Amino acid sequence: KQEVTQIPAALSVPEGENLVLNCSFTDSAIYNLQWFRQDPGKGLTSLLLIQSSQREQTSGRLNASLDKSSGRSTLYIAASQPGDSATYLCAVSKQGGSEKLVFGKGMKLTVNP
Amino acid sequence: DVKVTQSSRYLVKRTGEKVFLECVQDMDHENMFWYRQDPGLGLRLIYFSYDVKMKEKGDIPEGYSVSREKKERFSLILESASTNQTSMYLCASSLFTRLGGYTFGSGTRLTVV
Repeated sequence: KQEVTQIPAALSVPEGENLVLNCSFTDSAIYNLQWFRQDPGKGLTSLLLIQSSQREQTSGRLNASLDKSSGRSTLYIAASQPGDSATYLCAVSKQGGSEKLVFGKGMKLTVNP
Repeated sequence: DVKVTQSSRYLVKRTGEKVFLECVQDMDHENMFWYRQDPGLGLRLIYFSYDVKMKEKGDIPEGYSVSREKKERFSLILESASTNQTSMYLCASSLFTRLGGYTFGSGTRLTVV
């Protein structure tokens, strides 16, 4: 059974720091991996999607990498801002036709001005 | 801009009521999903549908049913609402191929009193 882990569960940093958020998964037979952002009381906003054949994706100050063989992904946030404060979730989709997304429990990020 | 729209942001219902949560997507996606999100438990899949009138149970289907009469609409039904169904409910959709990842709605916060 696929399990997705995000450690730590929470992180508080001063503005301007470069951040690395970690995600690990137990079954490397994934179809894709997606990073989401969730603001309090809101839905999930997709940040980056990495197909299993890709190594990384970039969008603005965000860069996500994928190492399938070791079961790891990282989300890099450059020059963090208070507006980046949110919960970040990673989720994997399995190979072989299963449509289900398996989520980590998320990491709550607070960026202090 | 592609969207998944959930009809209600907040709902308060009484124990024993039949509750309908509606979700509509405008992306012509084949797959649609209902998740619930609870503190400490993360996101858990209730049901998903990969085609009109087709449905599959997720991890926690008990106490719920679904309806998909049209491709763009996926409804979650609480047959007899109970207080342990108080939660954030999130709808999502994806292409059958899952290329492009998953798109989520803004969520419905349901309180059962």
